Amino acid sequence: AQRVTQPEKLLSVFKGAPVELKCNYSYSGSPELFWYVQYSRQRLQLLLRHISRESIKGFTADLNKGETSFHLKKPFAQEEDSAMYYCALQGLNNQGGKLIFGQGTELSVKP
Amino acid sequence: GAGVSQSPSNKVTEKGKDVELRCDPISGHTALYWYRQSLGQGLEFLIYFQGNSAPDKSGLPSDRFSAERTGGSVSTLTIQRTQQEDSAVYLCASSFTTYNEQFFGPGTRLTVL
Repeated sequence: AQRVTQPEKLLSVFKGAPVELKCNYSYSGSPELFWYVQYSRQRLQLLLRHISRESIKGFTADLNKGETSFHLKKPFAQEEDSAMYYCALQGLNNQGGKLIFGQGTELSVKP
Repeated sequence: GAGVSQSPSNKVTEKGKDVELRCDPISGHTALYWYRQSLGQGLEFLIYFQGNSAPDKSGLPSDRFSAERTGGSVSTLTIQRTQQEDSAVYLCASSFTTYNEQFFGPGTRLTVL
């Protein structure tokens, strides 16, 4: 079964602290993994995807196939990082392009 | 350029009524998706259109839900005989083609009284 798990509903850190949002997935095949972000009163937007291996706004994510994880990390959190973060999976085995989302983690960065 | 647009932004309806939600994708995007965002279920895939291929309806929760895409552009999601559990934000996304980045619309917030 295809599943994405984000174990933390809420993560609260202080500005300047490191942050790690956890994501684990279950998929039999080759998945593409994504992180989407939704800032307050804005639409859902792509933050980064595994295949591009980019660092966006200081965030990085490494795909660990052994642990089936795709955790999102940032060494020094900023207040403007406060948002809802969704991990998502896209199957590459003729699954079409549909995204399977985790439940989301709300990140709150306190001053 | 213009992003994905959806209308209406908010819809309040009575239980048992039918509703239609509209999505205008980014011009030139051949793939179009509908998702539902609700408190209990998070973000769920509903249906996917790619060009002239048969749509992937595997995410539709019941036969009260249907969608069409006319002329490869605008899409309409129809919910018949609405129930209170249909209350959610309905999101539309489009991408240039399958496996390209999906761009999301602002959503339609549906409230069923």
